Amino acid sequence: GESVGLHLPTLSVQEGDNSIINCAYSNSASDYFIWYKQESGKGPQFIIDIRSNMDKRQGQRVTVLLNKTVKHLSLQIAATQPGDSAVYFCAEGSMEYGNKLVFGAGTILRVKS
Amino acid sequence: DTAVSQTPKYLVTQMGNDKSIKCEQNLGHDTMYWYKQDSKKFLKIMFSYNNKELIINETVPNRFSPKSPDKAHLNLHINSLELGDSAVYFCASSQDTRQGEAFFGQGTRLTVV
Repeated sequence: GESVGLHLPTLSVQEGDNSIINCAYSNSASDYFIWYKQESGKGPQFIIDIRSNMDKRQGQRVTVLLNKTVKHLSLQIAATQPGDSAVYFCAEGSMEYGNKLVFGAGTILRVKS
Repeated sequence: DTAVSQTPKYLVTQMGNDKSIKCEQNLGHDTMYWYKQDSKKFLKIMFSYNNKELIINETVPNRFSPKSPDKAHLNLHINSLELGDSAVYFCASSQDTRQGEAFFGQGTRLTVV
């Protein structure tokens, strides 16, 4: 598949287990953070976002945690399904920098059935 | 009824050629973007237009020129193509300049030989 030869961090989980994908960001002035999912051959798809004045936000089966002290962001996926297999990107944005999104390197999530 | 559509999906061309990638969105969004994703899946913004006006112009060679005939279209012209231009180019759009829930197209895989 497309991930062959890629040297991205890879997380392998069993179907039904919970997944936690981590991201370290660089700009302490970032106003918001977004998680994207990119399936093979497709464009990134918005999953969930969180503003810098929050530390947790929940969506459907997903939770994003923000720790500004250590500039760390995580995405938790509950009851991981085969359809969750993809590359996941975190991105940070700042009004100070013209709302330009800066993407992280990406993490490959593989779900084993 | 694709939201953000790009053409072509694949483009193989020789060094030195000039090529264009087209993008159209039918979401009524005001802002459109071009991103480049390299072979390591690293995603970086190139340009952003809001209501046909250029608002983000990253450090991109001037061989790359975006053109927005109206707010539903943002085309990318590339002159004198080089091997290093090989990548997947994504068009995206969002309701405002905050790239919050940007919708991405399927991508155009450009291969320069």
